[in-house]
Amino acid sequence: AQKITQTQPGMFVQEKEAVTLDCTYDTSDPSYGLFWYKQPSSGEMIFLIYQGSYDQQNATEGRYSLNFQKARKSANLVISASQLGDSAMYFCAMREGPTAPIQGAQKLVFGQGTRLTINP
Amino acid sequence: EAGVTQFPSHSVIEKGQTVTLRCDPISGHDNLYWYRRVMGKEIKFLLHFVKESKQDESGMPNNRFLAERTGGTYSTLKVQPAELEDSGVYFCASSHWRTGGTYEQYFGPGTRLTVT
Repeated sequence: AQKITQTQPGMFVQEKEAVTLDCTYDTSDPSYGLFWYKQPSSGEMIFLIYQGSYDQQNATEGRYSLNFQKARKSANLVISASQLGDSAMYFCAMREGPTAPIQGAQKLVFGQGTRLTINP
Repeated sequence: EAGVTQFPSHSVIEKGQTVTLRCDPISGHDNLYWYRRVMGKEIKFLLHFVKESKQDESGMPNNRFLAERTGGTYSTLKVQPAELEDSGVYFCASSHWRTGGTYEQYFGPGTRLTVT
């Protein structure tokens, strides 16, 4: 069963508008972490934001925020005031299990990604 | 601080040949991961090293793939013999645990492997 679902293969947004990229996940583990990565056309994967399952507040990093709805098992990425440089592929990923010292449960499971295009 | 580096950036080989991919993690990162993205599919986990030990190799497709991390520094991923379905982008990532950290993985730029 797919554990991370990104239902938007592509999105087109006008510059300066806010954009929400959807991500739903499936896990029975009470301890997990959710990540968003950005992959521009150059190919590198850039870490954007993290949300832990026990975190009380939604994570924020500059223009990025994570709309974490635990009961709905969703972790949508919100980009405020989009810029042309935000055009890229965006991946949602999940880590199951607690963090260290149990180091074995650290692999990431990825969704299929959403290609975001910002139009001028 | 240098990021994760991978070599080569692109490799084109014929079916049946051997290819070795290299990954240099961020200095001091004990955890090293290999992932692969086949065209149009999601990125999939291959294996995880903690220092020089294989912690989890559940994602390795078959015994044509061999990963090593001698000395707990850089890692190599060898494909021998390569098949057409091995084509894709191979990513390496590294991470380091610290108190209160999120354990985020830092990715390299990937190696695009094309098997013809």
